[in-house]
Amino acid sequence: DAGVTQSPTHLIKTRGQHVTLRCSPISGHKSVSWYQQVLGQGPQFIFQYYEKEERGRGNFPDRFSARQFPNYSSELNVNALLLGDSALYLCASSLTGSGNTIYFGEGSWLTVV
Amino acid sequence: GIQVEQSPPDLILQEGANSTLRCNFSDSVNNLQWFHQNPWGQLINLFYIPSGTKQNGRLSATTVATERYSLLYISSSQTTDSGVYFCAVERSSASKIIFGSGTRLSIRP
Repeated sequence: DAGVTQSPTHLIKTRGQHVTLRCSPISGHKSVSWYQQVLGQGPQFIFQYYEKEERGRGNFPDRFSARQFPNYSSELNVNALLLGDSALYLCASSLTGSGNTIYFGEGSWLTVV
Repeated sequence: GIQVEQSPPDLILQEGANSTLRCNFSDSVNNLQWFHQNPWGQLINLFYIPSGTKQNGRLSATTVATERYSLLYISSSQTTDSGVYFCAVERSSASKIIFGSGTRLSIRP
């Protein structure tokens, strides 16, 4: 079975632009969560979705939004990009989103110039 | 919110040595996992261990939930063990995983 897949793997954007990152969870998993990891730090929680409903939100500005589709895949959108948004964006999937093992994709490396 | 502290922040060892990594957390949790992040950024799941002890080859982990800490043991270290090890916890009342700041392990040949 395929693991968690993310796309694109690398991308470069200009300040002020918008970016969409995509994630497909492990087959059978209904929860997807998103994390931002800047260099030298641990991943920071952004959003969690379960059965297409938002379950949790971290301390990120409204420029960050996400959604989950009927097939349980997910998109993370970031508007009005700032230099500080440069980071590794990680998607994780789990069966139900609480009290389960979570599995991460390989991430999307975003550079904002 | 819940605090997660990992120690030591950095660890340099010779190949073949053993090591113990520690994770302290400030509140009760219903989920605790250990991850290894390789140089390419991939987070590899090592253990799901909200309580008790588990072993997988040269690695083992113990979580004492009542005392709010977890330990990751690595025996007979190999250079491929190098990377950053993260502890991550989830509270039963909150749907988010909180990561510690990690332990950077470097194994010298």
